[in-house]
Amino acid sequence: QQQVKQSPQSLIVQKGGISIINCAYENTAFDYFPWYQQFPGKGPALLIAIRPDVSEKKEGRVTISFNKSAKQFSLHIMDSQPGDSATYFCAASNYGGSQGNLIFGKGTKLSVKP
Amino acid sequence: DAGVIQSPRHEVTEMGQEVTLRCKPISGHDYLFWYRQTMMRGLELLIYFNNNVPIDDSGMPEDRFSAKMPNASFSTLKIQPSEPRDSAVYFCASRRGVLGGYTFGSGTRLTVV
Repeated sequence: QQQVKQSPQSLIVQKGGISIINCAYENTAFDYFPWYQQFPGKGPALLIAIRPDVSEKKEGRVTISFNKSAKQFSLHIMDSQPGDSATYFCAASNYGGSQGNLIFGKGTKLSVKP
Repeated sequence: DAGVIQSPRHEVTEMGQEVTLRCKPISGHDYLFWYRQTMMRGLELLIYFNNNVPIDDSGMPEDRFSAKMPNASFSTLKIQPSEPRDSAVYFCASRRGVLGGYTFGSGTRLTVV
């Protein structure tokens, strides 16, 4: 019940296309859903996050969509660029119950072809 | 701020040797986390501290692993004896308060041969 399932494992997108990564969770107590971006040789860095009181959050070319009833959330990168090539991790936590410790998905390696 | 600082960046050691990984969290962050990253298992939480006190070490694989945080600015993760299956990238992360975002270090790539 603590798992966060992420798909796909890898994704190849042409420059200018839309990259979509999906995550699903079981624990209905989760109340914080961040996405992290990791470049080779670096640690993950927070990209964008959402709480379940909203269904969508947009920051620049990046959008999180959240479906509480389906217990799913997704990351959309519009107008994907080669510089977006990285590994993306979704995560979830329950601030009230587990001190906000994040449970991570297994990651999606995104490659944007020029 | 210099961010979360981990050392060494790379470590190659022989099976059976002791390995010590080091982490300096961001000043003022009261939570510190140790994660292990592998292709097969992704990011796994090993242990975390709050105000230098270990809170949950249920992710530590076995007794060969130990972690300490003697003060607010330093933590170590020790593996003794090391085994080839311990080869992974080990990340340290810190956070201010329960609602703070995680800041990860650049990791230590450990190879046990």
